[in-house]
Amino acid sequence: DTGVSQDPRHKITKRGQNVTFRCDPISEHNRLYWYRQTLGQGPEFLTYFQNEAQLEKSRLLSDRFSAERPKGSFSTLEIQRTEQGDSAMYLCASSLFGNEQFFGPGTRLTVL
Amino acid sequence: AQSVTQLDSQVPVFEEAPVELRCNYSSSVSVYLFWYVQYPNQGLQLLLKYLSGSTLVKGINGFEAEFNKSQTSFHLRKPSVHISDTAEYFCAVTDGSGAGSYQLTFGKGTKLSVIP
Repeated sequence: DTGVSQDPRHKITKRGQNVTFRCDPISEHNRLYWYRQTLGQGPEFLTYFQNEAQLEKSRLLSDRFSAERPKGSFSTLEIQRTEQGDSAMYLCASSLFGNEQFFGPGTRLTVL
Repeated sequence: AQSVTQLDSQVPVFEEAPVELRCNYSSSVSVYLFWYVQYPNQGLQLLLKYLSGSTLVKGINGFEAEFNKSQTSFHLRKPSVHISDTAEYFCAVTDGSGAGSYQLTFGKGTKLSVIP
């Protein structure tokens, strides 16, 4: 059973550095979502892909954030010039029909 | 736009006792509703979902939830909890009208602590 995988699981970086996270969805799923979860909160939607097209972006996704999904397979989320407020768990989810999302284990980012 | 309110941030309960975790939502369109569980430092696992049909939905690990449209609620219940149920539980809602991305809007979570 190959579920959603994310890499790395943990990332510690210094303020101002760039970081990139990867998400590999379940192979036949055409929808892919990124969420951010800060301590004590529920996940918040960041962005959504259907195949390779990025169709929705939250206002939480500042200009320092960019996401891609080349060829509609894996996805990357890049944060440029990281700030301490970016420290969070970044969750990826995939879905076939949109009415059930399967989540990966997340990438925990700590910005020092 | 949708929103979710989880009325209890923490719920302690003794082992083998029943538990109810409360969730209320607001939406101007029809909704799909979900409960997810999160264990420490892990992703989210789907417990159950309401899409349409019967308002009582059964999920994994003995959990069930009832959709109440008039009260805009979707409370999660389990008749007898186990130590292994200790985790954080999230209620989520999405637009069920068929338009849009099906992005999930989550509540802030309820931490369930099962006491031996």
